[in-house]
Amino acid sequence: RKEVEQDPGPFNVPEGATVAFNCTYSNSASQSFFWYRQDCRKEPKLLMSVYSSGNEDGRFTAQLNRASQYISLLIRDSKLSDSATYLCVVNLDSTGRRALTFGSGTRLQVQP
Amino acid sequence: DTAVSQTPKYLVTQMGNDKSIKCEQNLGHDTMYWYKQDSKKFLKIMFSYNNKELIINETVPNRFSPKSPDKAHLNLHINSLELGDSAVYFCASSPRRSRGRSEKLFFGSGTQLSVL
Repeated sequence: RKEVEQDPGPFNVPEGATVAFNCTYSNSASQSFFWYRQDCRKEPKLLMSVYSSGNEDGRFTAQLNRASQYISLLIRDSKLSDSATYLCVVNLDSTGRRALTFGSGTRLQVQP
Repeated sequence: DTAVSQTPKYLVTQMGNDKSIKCEQNLGHDTMYWYKQDSKKFLKIMFSYNNKELIINETVPNRFSPKSPDKAHLNLHINSLELGDSAVYFCASSPRRSRGRSEKLFFGSGTQLSVL
């Protein structure tokens, strides 16, 4: 089992659609969770952190389910500019000896 | 001003050569990283330095040697380049790490390395 696992997609959705991605992680002691966005041939950029109680930033909602060890990202009212790869990122340990671990990403293509 | 800058952006070289990639951050962060993104787009940590001290080395071959002359710089030197080294290398930085918690990463724009 991969340490951080995502469905690679692609998810092809029309503009205005709602789309959700899930990501599972292997270590129940993980403490920090993030979603990053990566555009083609560009560097990853932080989209949002994921908090235990869930959090929202405009059209984006992130949820954490510790019992099932997954995080999710919901995008409402998709825009063409949302087309990108969404990377699930987890701090898998509590010792401070490991850096953030990235999932392989879920590709989203929003179509007109 | 670019927060995390790395050079060169593209690097094309022959097998067996030695090359370096430079990275600088002007964010005042204590921690810097090198990540490798292969052809399958999987982003993997290679090294992490905290205030010039190596804290993470993820089983990277000895041909890869990071150097941090100060906390604002983390360079990557690669000896005897191999075909499998072809990838995009990203430098990143983050604020001070506290035990068990990770701060968000700020990435450079990447160096596309092609080994022929």
